[in-house]
Amino acid sequence: TQLLEQSPQFLSIQEGENLTVYCNSSSVFSSLQWYRQEPGEGPVLLVTVVTGGEVKKLKRLTFQFGDARKDSSLHITAAQPGDTGLYLCAGALIQGAQKLVFGQGTRLTINP
Amino acid sequence: EPEVTQTPSHQVTQMGQEVILRCVPISNHLYFYWYRQILGQKVEFLVSFYNNEISEKSEIFDDQFSVERPDGSNFTLKIRSTKLEDSAMYFCASSALGTWGTQYFGPGTRLTVL
Repeated sequence: TQLLEQSPQFLSIQEGENLTVYCNSSSVFSSLQWYRQEPGEGPVLLVTVVTGGEVKKLKRLTFQFGDARKDSSLHITAAQPGDTGLYLCAGALIQGAQKLVFGQGTRLTINP
Repeated sequence: EPEVTQTPSHQVTQMGQEVILRCVPISNHLYFYWYRQILGQKVEFLVSFYNNEISEKSEIFDDQFSVERPDGSNFTLKIRSTKLEDSAMYFCASSALGTWGTQYFGPGTRLTVL
């Protein structure tokens, strides 16, 4: 079964704290995407990682692709209330594969 | 910044009726997709489309579903005879040549089947 597991499913922390969200699979991905989704809206692309071990930074967000291209993490430094939302990881299983397989999402709440 | 657009934002229909959901992908993109998300569940792939034909489809995409690119800008999803379980958010997405994974999503159409 093609499965992406995200953990934790829910995370509630105080403003200023750091956090890490994980996305794991037993399958190898040719690329992995992180999206953020607001209620009633479409997923908004944050980043694509392609190379094993790749690290990308987007302001206070750091994304890492595992060396074996089976897992990824999203680390947020000094979380702010504006970071509150649903974070989704989605992987493309093989090069040229047309479909993305989505994780179930991590619902993040940052309390002021 | 270029974006994927979808219309309508909300569609209410009676069971058994046909619906057409419309999308305008990003203009220089060549790959187009439909996904759906039932309330509280994961985003699920339905179909991908390239070079005027379906390139991949999921088990969900049965004979009741069809896609079309009627002109150079629009991409449509038709459900011939809607069922209650078709109620969901439907997202269109597009990607550029060589970056299949980097898919940009539209805002979605909420389909409610009564």
